[in-house]
Amino acid sequence: AQTVTQSQPEMSVQEAETVTLSCTYDTSESDYYLFWYKQPPSRQMILVIRQEAYKQQNATENRFSVNFQKAAKSFSLKISDSQLGDAAMYFCAYGHGSSNTGKLIFGQGTTLQVKP
Amino acid sequence: EPEVTQTPSHQVTQMGQEVILRCVPISNHLYFYWYRQILGQKVEFLVSFYNNEISEKSEIFDDQFSVERPDGSNFTLKIRSTKLEDSAMYFCASSGPDNEQFFGPGTRLTVL
Repeated sequence: AQTVTQSQPEMSVQEAETVTLSCTYDTSESDYYLFWYKQPPSRQMILVIRQEAYKQQNATENRFSVNFQKAAKSFSLKISDSQLGDAAMYFCAYGHGSSNTGKLIFGQGTTLQVKP
Repeated sequence: EPEVTQTPSHQVTQMGQEVILRCVPISNHLYFYWYRQILGQKVEFLVSFYNNEISEKSEIFDDQFSVERPDGSNFTLKIRSTKLEDSAMYFCASSGPDNEQFFGPGTRLTVL
């Protein structure tokens, strides 16, 4: 069975600085997707970024980028120029590629604090 | 921009009562999901639904739970006889063929 591990329960960063959130996963599949979701205090789940496993190029979305290391099964999220609005819980998630069930498996989450 | 909607935002019920949580997925999506998040814990998969049937369910999704797509727009989760441990945030999600899931704002269920 697939597992997702986020080993940092809490992280903090100074406003305008850069922070990296870690995520590792375990799978025997070759076709899958990885996601980072943001959950602010409102508890809405907001998709931040996604990565297809077959793509070697790391995904980027404005200030958000990932470091995808397929062999190491590592998928970290880098947030550049951190803003106060980035403060939230961040969840890493794994999705099956070829299965039509499409369920996501989430990590435990990392709470990010942004200090002004 | 299209979005997933859920009603109610907060439901309070007595233990043993039935509750129905409602979701309206994004209109051209074909895959539908329910997840739950107990306060302070991670998001857990409950069930996926495609082509008018359950495609996968977790061990949490026992006989007390059921899902239905009663018409072309709604997707519901029913809990037949609620327990205290069913108190959680319940998220509906939907996706197209690209496996990118969009989540609704959630329904907070409180069982007293």
